[in-house]
Amino acid sequence: EAQVTQNPRYLITVTGKKLTVTCSQNMNHEYMSWYRQDPGLGLRQIYYSMNVEVTDKGDVPEGYKVSRKEKRNFPLILESPSPNQTSLYFCASSRQGGNTEAFFGQGTRLTVV
Amino acid sequence: AQSVTQPDIHITVSEGASLELRCNYSYGATPYLFWYVQSPGQGLQLLLKYFSGDTLVQGIKGFEAEFKRSQSSFNLRKPSVHWSDAAEYFCAVGAGNDYKLSFGAGTTVTVRA
Repeated sequence: EAQVTQNPRYLITVTGKKLTVTCSQNMNHEYMSWYRQDPGLGLRQIYYSMNVEVTDKGDVPEGYKVSRKEKRNFPLILESPSPNQTSLYFCASSRQGGNTEAFFGQGTRLTVV
Repeated sequence: AQSVTQPDIHITVSEGASLELRCNYSYGATPYLFWYVQSPGQGLQLLLKYFSGDTLVQGIKGFEAEFKRSQSSFNLRKPSVHWSDAAEYFCAVGAGNDYKLSFGAGTTVTVRA
């Protein structure tokens, strides 16, 4: 089954404690991205990757890091989380980019206290 | 850069009634347009997409959308809603060259019996 898998689904952490949210896709897609969803703001792109070792900033990259060492994996790293990063996070993959269908993971609900 | 506006934050509709969700986009070239649906606690699922050709596109779950270039709109419609259509709906515009998918703020649909 084609899918994008995120882990964990729910996470509560404290300010400043480094965390990683994993994302993996089994569709051999070249393009992967991370979004955060906040009420009234829709989905905003954090980072995206066009292929292995190729990443770039989206609209709201501050406080986040990513890496793309393998085609299937695209982890999101919060080096020093802060309460304003409390949000619902989605990973997505697509064959190319904004001109092809994106497949989304189930989401990660992050709370930073 | 592209942008998407969904003017309606929340719509309530009776089961069996028709539904129309509005979407306006801003983009200088030919847009790639999408509608996604997010059921409670779930990721986003593609309802339909427009790339080119016939301006009336059919999607899953009985939804359709019409692209109107003169109005920069891509409104979503369903002739008769079911209780299971209660969800949040996102319009998105994709730009092929910079691989960016931009989302509207979303419209929440409530279906009353």
